Amino acid sequence: AQKVTQAQTEISVVEKEDVTLDCVYETRDTTYYLFWYKQPPSGELVFLIRRNSFDEQNEISGRYSWNFQKSTSSFNFTITASQVVDSAVYFCALSEADGGSQGNLIFGKGTKLSVKP
Amino acid sequence: DAGITQSPRHKVTETGTPVTLRCHQTENHRYMYWYRQDPGHGLRLIHYSYGVKDTDKGEVSDGYSVSRSKTEDFLLTLESATSSQTSVYFCAISVEGPRSGNTIYFGEGSWLTVV
Repeated sequence: AQKVTQAQTEISVVEKEDVTLDCVYETRDTTYYLFWYKQPPSGELVFLIRRNSFDEQNEISGRYSWNFQKSTSSFNFTITASQVVDSAVYFCALSEADGGSQGNLIFGKGTKLSVKP
Repeated sequence: DAGITQSPRHKVTETGTPVTLRCHQTENHRYMYWYRQDPGHGLRLIHYSYGVKDTDKGEVSDGYSVSRSKTEDFLLTLESATSSQTSVYFCAISVEGPRSGNTIYFGEGSWLTVV
């Protein structure tokens, strides 16, 4: 069965600190996709990244970086030099390759990040 | 902006009344989804559609029905709303990417309160 665990329910940091959000997943499929979404206080879900199971390269986008490790079934998200605007709930999600064209997502319960000035 | 519009954005309704939420997309993507978000549960899939008149159930489909008579519209209906259906409802679409694998984009959400 598929499962996504975000063990950190809430994290609080001071601006400019680095912070890592953990995501551990379970799947029996060899081909799958991992996603991260941001949900700011306004409520919308903002797509951040999609990673294929066969592409283990880490990715960096500005202050955001993602570390994908199949050996530990983890897909962690790091924000460098955090800013107040990063305050949000962050969701990690998993889908199988043929799961309704990958839209049948299994979500973790989210990590609420608070960045204080 | 993935071109997804949800309506209504906010609704308060009484127990036992029917409610329909609409999801409209502007880009003719084949796959559309309805999710609900509840505290402590994250987001869970209700129903999805893989084409006009082609739909399937998700994890939490009981009490909901869907219809897709046009590619651009995906309707979610609560036949007789209950308080347990108070939630935030998100529509999503699957967009094919330049490499294998699709990206899933979400609408802005519809806040439904059943009193």
